[in-house]
Amino acid sequence: EDQVTQSPEALRLQEGESSSLNCSYTVSGLRGLFWYRQDPGKGPEFLFTLYSAGEEKEKERLKATLTKKESFLHITAPKPEDSATYLCAVQAKGDYKLSFGAGTTVTVRA
Amino acid sequence: DGGITQSPKYLFRKEGQNVTLSCEQNLNHDAMYWYRQDPGQGLRLIYYSQIVNDFQKGDIAEGYSVSREKKESFPLTVTSAQKNPTAFYLCASGSSWEVETQYFGPGTRLLVL
Repeated sequence: EDQVTQSPEALRLQEGESSSLNCSYTVSGLRGLFWYRQDPGKGPEFLFTLYSAGEEKEKERLKATLTKKESFLHITAPKPEDSATYLCAVQAKGDYKLSFGAGTTVTVRA
Repeated sequence: DGGITQSPKYLFRKEGQNVTLSCEQNLNHDAMYWYRQDPGQGLRLIYYSQIVNDFQKGDIAEGYSVSREKKESFPLTVTSAQKNPTAFYLCASGSSWEVETQYFGPGTRLLVL
Protein backbone atom coordinates (compact mmCIF):
# COMPACT_ATOMS: atom_id res chain seq x y z
CA GLU A 1 0.00 0.00 0.00
CA ASP A 2 1.26 3.45 -0.92
CA GLN A 3 2.20 5.64 2.03
CA VAL A 4 2.93 9.36 2.25
CA THR A 5 4.23 11.07 5.41
CA GLN A 6 4.64 14.82 5.65
CA SER A 7 6.69 16.68 8.23
CA PRO A 8 6.49 18.82 10.18
CA GLU A 9 2.73 18.96 10.82
CA ALA A 10 2.96 22.71 11.38
CA LEU A 11 5.60 25.34 10.65
CA ARG A 12 5.64 28.90 11.89
CA LEU A 13 8.00 31.24 10.04
CA GLN A 14 8.93 34.87 10.22
CA GLU A 15 8.59 36.75 6.95
CA GLY A 16 11.81 36.21 5.00
CA GLU A 17 12.83 33.12 6.98
CA SER A 18 13.40 30.33 4.43
CA SER A 19 12.57 26.74 5.29
CA SER A 20 11.75 23.31 3.83
CA LEU A 21 8.85 20.88 4.07
CA ASN A 22 9.41 17.14 3.78
CA CYS A 23 7.33 14.48 2.05
CA SER A 24 8.50 10.87 2.52
CA TYR A 25 6.84 8.25 0.39
CA THR A 26 6.62 4.53 -0.21
CA VAL A 27 5.17 3.45 -3.53
CA SER A 28 5.53 0.44 -5.78
CA GLY A 29 6.90 2.32 -8.77
CA LEU A 30 6.43 6.08 -8.82
CA ARG A 31 4.40 7.51 -11.65
CA GLY A 32 4.34 11.04 -10.28
CA LEU A 33 4.59 13.10 -7.09
CA PHE A 34 2.32 16.12 -6.69
CA TRP A 35 2.39 19.21 -4.50
CA TYR A 36 -0.76 21.21 -3.78
CA ARG A 37 -1.49 24.32 -1.75
CA GLN A 38 -4.75 24.50 0.23
CA ASP A 39 -6.19 27.60 1.86
CA PRO A 40 -8.69 27.20 4.73
CA GLY A 41 -12.12 26.15 3.51
CA LYS A 42 -11.04 25.85 -0.12
CA GLY A 43 -10.03 23.10 -2.52
CA PRO A 44 -6.38 22.24 -3.12
CA GLU A 45 -4.58 24.27 -5.78
CA PHE A 46 -2.10 22.40 -7.97
CA LEU A 47 1.53 23.52 -7.70
CA PHE A 48 3.94 20.94 -9.16
CA THR A 49 4.30 17.46 -10.60
CA LEU A 50 7.65 15.66 -10.30
CA TYR A 51 8.31 12.49 -12.26
CA SER A 52 11.79 11.18 -11.43
CA ALA A 53 14.59 11.48 -8.91
CA GLY A 54 16.75 14.55 -9.41
CA GLU A 55 13.99 16.62 -10.91
CA GLU A 56 13.36 20.15 -9.63
CA LYS A 57 10.59 22.66 -10.34
CA GLU A 58 10.18 26.27 -9.25
CA LYS A 59 7.33 28.72 -8.99
CA GLU A 60 7.91 32.13 -7.43
CA ARG A 61 9.24 31.49 -3.90
CA LEU A 62 8.58 27.74 -4.04
CA LYS A 63 10.95 25.04 -5.25
CA ALA A 64 10.16 21.32 -5.25
CA THR A 65 12.80 18.59 -5.44
CA LEU A 66 12.54 14.81 -5.65
CA THR A 67 14.69 11.86 -4.56
CA LYS A 68 13.87 8.15 -4.65
CA LYS A 69 12.34 8.26 -1.17
CA GLU A 70 11.29 11.84 -0.49
CA SER A 71 10.44 15.23 -1.84
CA PHE A 72 11.15 18.66 -0.40
CA LEU A 73 9.25 21.87 -0.87
CA HIS A 74 11.58 24.79 -0.22
CA ILE A 75 10.05 28.16 0.59
CA THR A 76 12.51 31.00 -0.01
CA ALA A 77 11.99 34.33 1.76
CA PRO A 78 8.32 33.59 2.51
CA LYS A 79 5.64 36.25 2.70
CA PRO A 80 2.43 36.17 4.76
CA GLU A 81 0.49 35.23 1.61
CA ASP A 82 2.43 31.94 1.51
CA SER A 83 0.53 30.86 4.64
CA ALA A 84 -1.43 27.73 3.73
CA THR A 85 -1.49 23.97 4.11
CA TYR A 86 0.80 22.23 1.64
CA LEU A 87 -0.24 18.75 0.54
CA CYS A 88 1.93 16.05 -1.04
CA ALA A 89 0.52 13.11 -3.02
CA VAL A 90 1.92 10.19 -5.00
CA GLN A 91 0.61 8.21 -7.91
CA ALA A 92 1.83 4.68 -8.54
CA LYS A 93 2.54 3.28 -11.99
CA GLY A 94 -0.52 1.62 -13.46
CA ASP A 95 -2.83 3.50 -11.11
CA TYR A 96 -4.86 6.69 -11.51
CA LYS A 97 -5.41 7.21 -7.80
CA LEU A 98 -3.50 9.66 -5.62
CA SER A 99 -2.38 8.85 -2.09
CA PHE A 100 -2.15 11.99 0.04
CA GLY A 101 -0.16 12.94 3.10
CA ALA A 102 -1.85 14.80 5.96
CA GLY A 103 -0.21 18.08 4.98
CA THR A 104 2.04 20.73 6.54
CA THR A 105 0.37 23.92 7.73
CA VAL A 106 2.65 26.90 7.20
CA THR A 107 2.08 30.20 8.97
CA VAL A 108 4.21 33.17 7.95
CA ARG A 109 4.19 36.15 10.31
CA ALA A 110 4.91 39.68 9.10
CA ASP B 1 -13.94 30.03 -17.94
CA GLY B 2 -12.86 26.42 -17.40
CA GLY B 3 -13.02 24.76 -14.03
CA ILE B 4 -14.77 22.54 -11.54
CA THR B 5 -17.83 23.63 -9.62
CA GLN B 6 -19.31 22.03 -6.53
CA SER B 7 -22.62 22.78 -4.90
CA PRO B 8 -23.79 23.53 -2.37
CA LYS B 9 -20.95 25.09 -0.41
CA TYR B 10 -22.56 23.96 2.86
CA LEU B 11 -25.01 21.10 3.33
CA PHE B 12 -26.89 20.00 6.40
CA ARG B 13 -28.08 16.44 6.79
CA LYS B 14 -30.69 15.14 9.18
CA GLU B 15 -30.31 11.68 10.63
CA GLY B 16 -31.58 9.00 8.24
CA GLN B 17 -31.54 11.34 5.27
CA ASN B 18 -29.74 10.84 1.95
CA VAL B 19 -28.10 13.93 0.49
CA THR B 20 -26.49 14.53 -2.90
CA LEU B 21 -23.45 16.67 -3.59
CA SER B 22 -23.04 18.10 -7.07
CA CYS B 23 -19.81 18.21 -9.10
CA GLU B 24 -19.55 19.62 -12.63
CA GLN B 25 -16.48 20.21 -14.79
CA ASN B 26 -16.01 21.90 -18.17
CA LEU B 27 -12.36 20.93 -18.62
CA ASN B 28 -13.23 18.05 -20.96
CA HIS B 29 -11.55 15.65 -18.54
CA ASP B 30 -12.37 11.96 -18.76
CA ALA B 31 -11.63 11.12 -15.11
CA MET B 32 -13.44 12.39 -12.04
CA TYR B 33 -12.90 11.70 -8.35
CA TRP B 34 -14.50 12.22 -4.94
CA TYR B 35 -12.37 12.66 -1.83
CA ARG B 36 -13.22 13.16 1.81
CA GLN B 37 -11.07 15.41 4.03
CA ASP B 38 -11.10 15.21 7.82
CA PRO B 39 -8.97 17.35 10.16
CA GLY B 40 -5.45 16.01 10.59
CA GLN B 41 -5.86 13.36 7.90
CA GLY B 42 -4.89 13.16 4.26
CA LEU B 43 -7.53 13.21 1.56
CA ARG B 44 -9.18 9.80 1.23
CA LEU B 45 -10.62 8.52 -2.02
CA ILE B 46 -14.32 7.63 -1.99
CA TYR B 47 -15.10 6.83 -5.64
CA TYR B 48 -13.57 7.49 -9.03
CA SER B 49 -14.64 7.26 -12.65
CA GLN B 50 -12.44 7.01 -15.71
CA ILE B 51 -15.22 7.08 -18.31
CA VAL B 52 -18.94 7.70 -18.57
CA ASN B 53 -21.18 4.96 -17.15
CA ASP B 54 -18.27 3.37 -15.26
CA PHE B 55 -16.94 3.98 -11.76
CA GLN B 56 -14.90 2.20 -9.10
CA LYS B 57 -14.86 2.18 -5.33
CA GLY B 58 -12.04 3.95 -3.58
CA ASP B 59 -10.70 3.32 -0.12
CA ILE B 60 -13.78 4.44 1.86
CA ALA B 61 -16.81 3.81 -0.38
CA GLU B 62 -19.14 2.36 2.27
CA GLY B 63 -22.18 4.56 2.81
CA TYR B 64 -21.69 6.48 -0.44
CA SER B 65 -22.96 6.08 -4.01
CA VAL B 66 -22.19 7.81 -7.31
CA SER B 67 -23.33 7.96 -10.93
CA ARG B 68 -21.59 9.07 -14.13
CA GLU B 69 -24.24 9.59 -16.80
CA LYS B 70 -22.47 12.54 -18.41
CA LYS B 71 -18.79 13.31 -18.91
CA GLU B 72 -19.22 16.68 -17.17
CA SER B 73 -21.03 15.48 -14.06
CA PHE B 74 -20.21 13.15 -11.16
CA PRO B 75 -22.69 13.53 -8.27
CA LEU B 76 -22.04 11.91 -4.90
CA THR B 77 -24.85 10.70 -2.64
CA VAL B 78 -24.16 10.34 1.06
CA THR B 79 -26.61 7.73 2.27
CA SER B 80 -28.06 7.15 5.71
CA ALA B 81 -25.68 4.16 5.99
CA GLN B 82 -22.75 6.59 6.36
CA LYS B 83 -22.68 6.99 10.13
CA ASN B 84 -20.05 9.71 10.31
CA PRO B 85 -20.66 11.97 7.31
CA THR B 86 -19.42 15.25 8.76
CA ALA B 87 -16.44 16.22 6.60
CA PHE B 88 -15.20 18.41 3.75
CA TYR B 89 -15.92 16.75 0.40
CA LEU B 90 -13.74 17.49 -2.59
CA CYS B 91 -14.36 16.65 -6.22
CA ALA B 92 -11.48 16.47 -8.69
CA SER B 93 -10.99 15.80 -12.36
CA GLY B 94 -8.07 14.85 -14.56
CA SER B 95 -7.20 13.81 -18.08
CA SER B 96 -6.31 10.20 -18.66
CA TRP B 97 -3.05 10.97 -20.38
CA GLU B 98 0.30 9.97 -18.88
CA VAL B 99 0.82 11.22 -15.34
CA GLU B 100 -2.56 12.43 -14.28
CA THR B 101 -2.62 15.75 -12.52
CA GLN B 102 -5.91 16.15 -10.67
CA TYR B 103 -7.58 19.53 -10.36
CA PHE B 104 -9.92 20.19 -7.47
CA GLY B 105 -13.18 22.00 -6.99
CA PRO B 106 -13.91 24.39 -4.09
CA GLY B 107 -15.44 21.70 -1.87
CA THR B 108 -18.69 21.09 0.00
CA ARG B 109 -18.81 21.02 3.79
CA LEU B 110 -21.37 18.53 5.08
CA LEU B 111 -22.69 18.91 8.60
CA VAL B 112 -25.09 16.70 10.52
CA LEU B 113 -28.01 18.29 12.38
